[in-house]
Amino acid sequence: DTEVTQTPKHLVMGMTNKKSLKCEQHMGHRAMYWYKQKAKKPPELMFVYSYEKLSINESVPSRFSPECPNSSLLNLHLHALQPEDSALYLCASSQEGSGLVNTEAFFGQGTRLTVV
Amino acid sequence: GQNIDQPTEMTATEGAIVQINCTYQTSGFNGLFWYQQHAGEAPTFLSYNVLDGLEEKGRFSSFLSRSKGYSYLLLKELQMKDSASYLCAVRGFTGGGNKLTFGTGTQLKVEL
Repeated sequence: DTEVTQTPKHLVMGMTNKKSLKCEQHMGHRAMYWYKQKAKKPPELMFVYSYEKLSINESVPSRFSPECPNSSLLNLHLHALQPEDSALYLCASSQEGSGLVNTEAFFGQGTRLTVV
Repeated sequence: GQNIDQPTEMTATEGAIVQINCTYQTSGFNGLFWYQQHAGEAPTFLSYNVLDGLEEKGRFSSFLSRSKGYSYLLLKELQMKDSASYLCAVRGFTGGGNKLTFGTGTQLKVEL
């Protein structure tokens, strides 16, 4: 199983709503990532979890709150978002490590988020 | 920090060969990846280099020179379905941990 599964595929939310994006992988990967991608732009790193601990936060506004309940799951909690937060949110996972370990990141299909 | 540059757009002819370049500056380098992304889809992995030299994988090859901070992706026998965005991504270790950062992406158009 080389899949990263994201739910939901599409989400429309108001600026006062609270919602969560979910991501799951069963490849035994210990690094998991959240990326944000706007149209015609590359994915932009938001958060990295390593061994279920937050290792990197790329100065993301606090209205985005990540959570890693266990080694297979990654959530992104959303609250009081702005219309400019509308984007494709991609989850990815990879092996942890460095050197000659192939740390290829596997991506989920993303959640297309629209904030109205 | 990390700085990764690629040409914005390229056009090539079906059946031809195209080379997409990537230059980067990073600290704690531990790998360079190439991904393909079709519009509206997730990135898919093409190749990985961590040591200098050429890695070949079917119609795709990737080259790395760590001393020059330079990589290229070579696509041979181009097909129309190769029209997509090609993303160079660098994995680097910072104080917090390893992170995978994408370059600006190259939009490749394959024409008849």
